[in-house]
Amino acid sequence: EPEVTQTPSHQVTQMGQEVILRCVPISNHLYFYWYRQILGQKVEFLVSFYNNEISEKSEIFDDQFSVERPDGSNFTLKIRSTKLEDSAMYFCASSRGTVEETQYFGPGTRLLVL
Amino acid sequence: QKEVEQNSGPLSVPEGAIASLNCTYSDRGSQSFFWYRQYSGKSPELIMSIYSNGDKEDGRFTAQLNKASQYVSLLIRDSQPSDSATYLCAVTLNTGNQFYFGTGTSLTVIP
Repeated sequence: EPEVTQTPSHQVTQMGQEVILRCVPISNHLYFYWYRQILGQKVEFLVSFYNNEISEKSEIFDDQFSVERPDGSNFTLKIRSTKLEDSAMYFCASSRGTVEETQYFGPGTRLLVL
Repeated sequence: QKEVEQNSGPLSVPEGAIASLNCTYSDRGSQSFFWYRQYSGKSPELIMSIYSNGDKEDGRFTAQLNKASQYVSLLIRDSQPSDSATYLCAVTLNTGNQFYFGTGTSLTVIP
């Protein structure tokens, strides 16, 4: 069964450093998402991406964040200058379509900013 | 303000019992509703989706949607210890495709 994959599974970085989180969505899906979950808190939407551009973003997704689909398979989230409060689990998701379509989540990348 | 509310629990039920999980949402424009299960340290895993008022059954799981009252529930029949997890309610609006998640209800099924 096709699934969303993410790398790395864990990332430790120093405050102020840049990190890139990578995702491979399900191959026939057209919509891609990033969510984050701070430990003990709810899953929060960051951004959605369709047709090579951002379709929707939340207040959390400020100028330090960016997304890219550098090739036909990868979908990346870049955090330019990490802060302590960026420590969280980051989930990539994908769906075939919008609104009514189920979003399938990857296993997540646990980011720890020191 | 788009809020999705769930009782955080913990909810404990004996093995074989019915577990009932509830979720309310604030935005009447909400269109699609999903239940996900999340084991500790893992990603959300889809249980089922529901879009229309009424009940939808899938194996031991039944989702119930009442748009007039703005709630959606999940019933788990014949609960098993492996059902012990946090159950997340997710809602989408007709104006976008992001999921709004509740904080989740922690369920423990006692053998």
